[in-house]
Amino acid sequence: ELKVEQNPLFLSMQEGKNYTIYCNYSTTSDRLYWYRQDPGKSLESLFVLLSNGAVKQEGRLMASLDTKARLSTLHITAAVHDLSATYFCAGCLNNDMRFGAGTRLTVKP
Amino acid sequence: GAGVSQSPSNKVTEKGKDVELRCDPISGHTALYWYRQSLGQGLEFLIYFQGNSAPDKSGLPSDRFSAERTGGSVSTLTIQRTQQEDSAVYLCASSLDFEQYFGPGTRLTVT
Repeated sequence: ELKVEQNPLFLSMQEGKNYTIYCNYSTTSDRLYWYRQDPGKSLESLFVLLSNGAVKQEGRLMASLDTKARLSTLHITAAVHDLSATYFCAGCLNNDMRFGAGTRLTVKP
Repeated sequence: GAGVSQSPSNKVTEKGKDVELRCDPISGHTALYWYRQSLGQGLEFLIYFQGNSAPDKSGLPSDRFSAERTGGSVSTLTIQRTQQEDSAVYLCASSLDFEQYFGPGTRLTVT
């Protein structure tokens, strides 16, 4: 069974700082997803990583995938307040999606 | 274009009643997923439809839950004899390739 663990679960950071959220998964995963969720809202797709070494960037967020280490990272560069949200990673095996518990990010001025 | 829509947005029901939740996927998307998000369990995969193939029901928590997808488009998730632990936000997503687009969700409260 695919299990996904994220850390940290809570992250408070100052504007302008960099930080990384980690996502470990237990078995082979066909692909790895990153989502953003604002309070009371649905999930917004950020990245889909399909293969080992994949790196995708959008604005201040960059996601990478290391299938050998079963690890994906979401790196935040020069955080701004608008990035405050909960971030989820999810692995997918045979179309069965398993989500991490989420990282609640708060960016403070 | 139009995104994934779900109805109702909120549903309050009494324990023991049946409920139906509806999902309208993005036109042309062949894959449709149902998820449940609750405080205690986080985000859980429930069921997956791909085209006209038999659905993957491996995530359904009990036989009180069922789902169908008519004509490869609209999907209905039915919960029979609702229990308080069914209270959650039910999310639907559709996909053409790998990227999933989520609907706004239905918040179900079982009293």
